[in-house]
Amino acid sequence: DTEVTQTPKHLVMGMTNKKSLKCEQHMGHRAMYWYKQKAKKPPELMFVYSYEKLSINESVPSRFSPECPNSSLLNLHLHALQPEDSALYLCASSQEGLAKGTQYFGPGTRLLVL
Amino acid sequence: AQTVTQSQPEMSVQEAETVTLSCTYDTSESDYYLFWYKQPPSRQMILVIRQEAYKQQNATENRFSVNFQKAAKSFSLKISDSQLGDAAMYFCAYRSLNRDDKIIFGKGTRLHILP
Repeated sequence: DTEVTQTPKHLVMGMTNKKSLKCEQHMGHRAMYWYKQKAKKPPELMFVYSYEKLSINESVPSRFSPECPNSSLLNLHLHALQPEDSALYLCASSQEGLAKGTQYFGPGTRLLVL
Repeated sequence: AQTVTQSQPEMSVQEAETVTLSCTYDTSESDYYLFWYKQPPSRQMILVIRQEAYKQQNATENRFSVNFQKAAKSFSLKISDSQLGDAAMYFCAYRSLNRDDKIIFGKGTRLHILP
């Protein structure tokens, strides 16, 4: 089973709203990732959690706040977003150790900020 | 820094024919992973094939195979017997074996399948 799930599939929010994106995997992976993807572009890495600790933050604005409550869950809290933050947000996970190379992606959350 | 280059923004192939997508990369490392990911219009990123740099044998997954030329830093994807469901954006990607969890993606190649 190589499934990563994400909720919601679609989200529309105003610039003053607070919302959260959720990601879940049950593959025993110990690294989880958030990516942002604009149309016709490759994914851009935002955050990496390794063993539930934030290991990479790609200089993402503070209006994006990641959280890893446990090894299976990853959240992305959104607050005071801008219209340019509208994008597909992808979650991924990978094993640690010798097989850590492959990242498995979820279906994404399509976010529209009005 | 590592880079991944896909020089073909778009390609078209007739259904049932064979097509090859090109990818080159630049790295000073000797151990790494290379991947091809497929992203159809539904936009879920799906792993197509993976190659470990230390393996000389080219990876194969059913109709998908790669031509890995380590010295030339080339990693092309061949799709045989193309099907309508193969229509997607294909991303070539690089990942170091070092303790760095970043994947470096190419800009992608949009593949159209002509019926």
